[in-house]
Amino acid sequence: EPEVTQTPSHQVTQMGQEVILRCVPISNHLYFYWYRQILGQKVEFLVSFYNNEISEKSEIFDDQFSVERPDGSNFTLKIRSTKLEDSAMYFCASSALRTMGYTFGSGTRLTVV
Amino acid sequence: SQQGEEDPQALSIQEGENATMNCSYKTSINNLQWYRQNSGRGLVHLILIRSNEREKHSGRLRVTLDTSKKSSSLLITASRAADTASYFCATDIQGAQKLVFGQGTRLTINP
Repeated sequence: EPEVTQTPSHQVTQMGQEVILRCVPISNHLYFYWYRQILGQKVEFLVSFYNNEISEKSEIFDDQFSVERPDGSNFTLKIRSTKLEDSAMYFCASSALRTMGYTFGSGTRLTVV
Repeated sequence: SQQGEEDPQALSIQEGENATMNCSYKTSINNLQWYRQNSGRGLVHLILIRSNEREKHSGRLRVTLDTSKKSSSLLITASRAADTASYFCATDIQGAQKLVFGQGTRLTINP
């Protein structure tokens, strides 16, 4: 069964550093998403992406964050100048159509120290 | 309060029993989806019910949707130890480009 692949599975970074989280969505999917989940808390929407542009973003997704689809397969989330409160699991997801179920990756656990 | 509230927050039952989880939401939706998350893992899509549907089945799962009450329920029949996980409802809101997740129900199946 096709999978969404995320790398790395765990990243530790120092406060103030930049991190790039990588995702390879399912190849024939057109819609891409990033979510995050702080330990034990709810799954929060960050951004949705379609046709090479952001289609919606949350208030969390401020100037500190950016997304990119640098080639035909990768979808990245960049977090500039990380803060302690950015520590969370970050999930990438993709869907074939806007109103279909999402396929999630296994997540990247980001720890900011 | 929030879009996508679930109850109970935690549910513990014996293997073989049925588990029912509920979800309420506030705005008009295109569809409502249920996901499972095993501890520390990604979310797995279980079932999707469209706004014009009232009930849907998939294996041991039964989902209902009442758009007049803005609520949904997920029933897992004949539970197994492997069903132990957190279950989330997620609403596909009309006019939005995202799913909004509830806070989840932590289900424990005791052998």
